[in-house]
Amino acid sequence: EIQLQESGPGLVKPSQSLSLTCSVTGYTITSGYDWSWIRKFPGNKMEWMGYISYSGSTNYNPSLKSRISITRDTSKNQFFLQLNSVTTEDTATYYCASSKLGGFDYWGQGVMVTVSS
Amino acid sequence: DIQMTQSPSLLSASVGDRVTLSCKASQNIYKYLNWYQQKLGEAPKLLIYYTNSLQTGIPSRFSGSGSGTDYTLTISSLQPEDVATYFCQQYNSWWTFGGGTKLELK
Repeated sequence: EIQLQESGPGLVKPSQSLSLTCSVTGYTITSGYDWSWIRKFPGNKMEWMGYISYSGSTNYNPSLKSRISITRDTSKNQFFLQLNSVTTEDTATYYCASSKLGGFDYWGQGVMVTVSS
Repeated sequence: DIQMTQSPSLLSASVGDRVTLSCKASQNIYKYLNWYQQKLGEAPKLLIYYTNSLQTGIPSRFSGSGSGTDYTLTISSLQPEDVATYFCQQYNSWWTFGGGTKLELK
C-alpha cells in the first residue's frame, strides 16, 4: 500500500521560505502518479498547490507560480515543497498526496505550519 | 478559476436518515468531480470519482450524481461513522475544492 508522510518545521517566520518533505513508501515515485502538495487553511478552504509528475515535470497553481517550487530526490523516494516569501496567510495544514486520473487517492497525515514572528 | 460552492455548510441528521450534500460549480465541469470524506484529525479520503464511481472499499450507501454545474453526494442510510466533513473537488480545469459540508449527528 502506498503511504505518504510529511515532515518539516511547524513554525516559519514571515518573509522566509517554507520547506517540507514528503516521504513515500510502498511505491516508487518514478513509476507513475502525479505527486501533489495541497494545503488546508483554518476555516476549511483547501487549495491544490502543485505537483511533480513521475517523469519529473512540474505544474503549479497559477496563484502561487512565482513563489513555489516542487522537486524530488528519486534515490530517497521523496519529493519536496518550497514556498518562498511566506506571510501569515500561508498558515495552513500541508498535505502531500498522489493523484491519478484527477483524484487524490493517497494522502499523508498532514503537517501544520504556522507563519509567525 | 472554477469556484466550487457546497451547501449546506453544516448538516445535522439522525442515524438511518437519507442525507444529500450539494456542490455547485461556477461553470460546466463535465462530470469531472470527486468527493472526499475527512474525519477529525485524519487525512481526506477519496469516496467517489468522476461524479458517480465508488472508490474501492467505500460502502455502497455512498453514491454520487450530477452533471453540468450541479452535483450531489447521497448517503442512503446515515451511520455514526459517517460523521465527518465532506469536500467536493473538480478537475476539469486544474483542481479546486469546495468549502466543505460538516455532517453531524442530531
